[in-house]
Amino acid sequence: QLQLQESGPGVVKPSETLSLTCTVSGGSITSKNHYWSWIRQPPGKGLEWIGNIYYSGSTYYTPSLKSRVTISLDSSKTQFSLKLNSVTAADTAVYYCAREVSGSSGFDYWGQGTLVTVSS
Amino acid sequence: QSALTQPSSVSGSPGQSITISCTGTSSDVVNYNLVSWYQHHPGKAPKLMIYEGSARPSMISDRFSGSWSGNTASLTISGLQAEDEADYYCCSFAGGNTYVFGTGTKVTVL
Repeated sequence: QLQLQESGPGVVKPSETLSLTCTVSGGSITSKNHYWSWIRQPPGKGLEWIGNIYYSGSTYYTPSLKSRVTISLDSSKTQFSLKLNSVTAADTAVYYCAREVSGSSGFDYWGQGTLVTVSS
Repeated sequence: QSALTQPSSVSGSPGQSITISCTGTSSDVVNYNLVSWYQHHPGKAPKLMIYEGSARPSMISDRFSGSWSGNTASLTISGLQAEDEADYYCCSFAGGNTYVFGTGTKVTVL
């Protein structure tokens, strides 16, 4: 059974860089049939897709965050990571990692999510 | 890109059917048969309920169905049960290999 688990600091100071890692177990992160995504949910708000990465290293980001986001993949560790720089309070959210089926067929496996608070 | 529009809340009594709409613009939604739907209980991971507009993952009850017409996708829950009370989100492939979620709908079972 595929499992995803987010990890990283729960508090980040304003203007600093938010860094999270998603560890994938029970399956391959180098599958040609899947992309690996980050999605977030600010408190009291809806879901927002941040971006994704393919096993080849190709990345795609939502336009509103593109200038601040980097997603990378470490196949040897079956992990992929999110870096969001210059954070503000508006970046406070529960961050989820998820597996996306190629062909835009939805996000079929999700991590439990991790709350990141931006605060000094 | 702007979020797809969903009603903020929908309610129904046990056993009834409800429908949640998801409306976008031509610039947000490339193809409505690429819309997926997610059930989200607070504090838990979202769950894929419908993909490719109307397809259902193997473990999802057939009480959940998806469809689309024009610029609107819909999720219908038949035979409403207490456990269906949750937030529901649509999600569309928006072109350029990016995605946009809907605003979310809170389903209440009366």
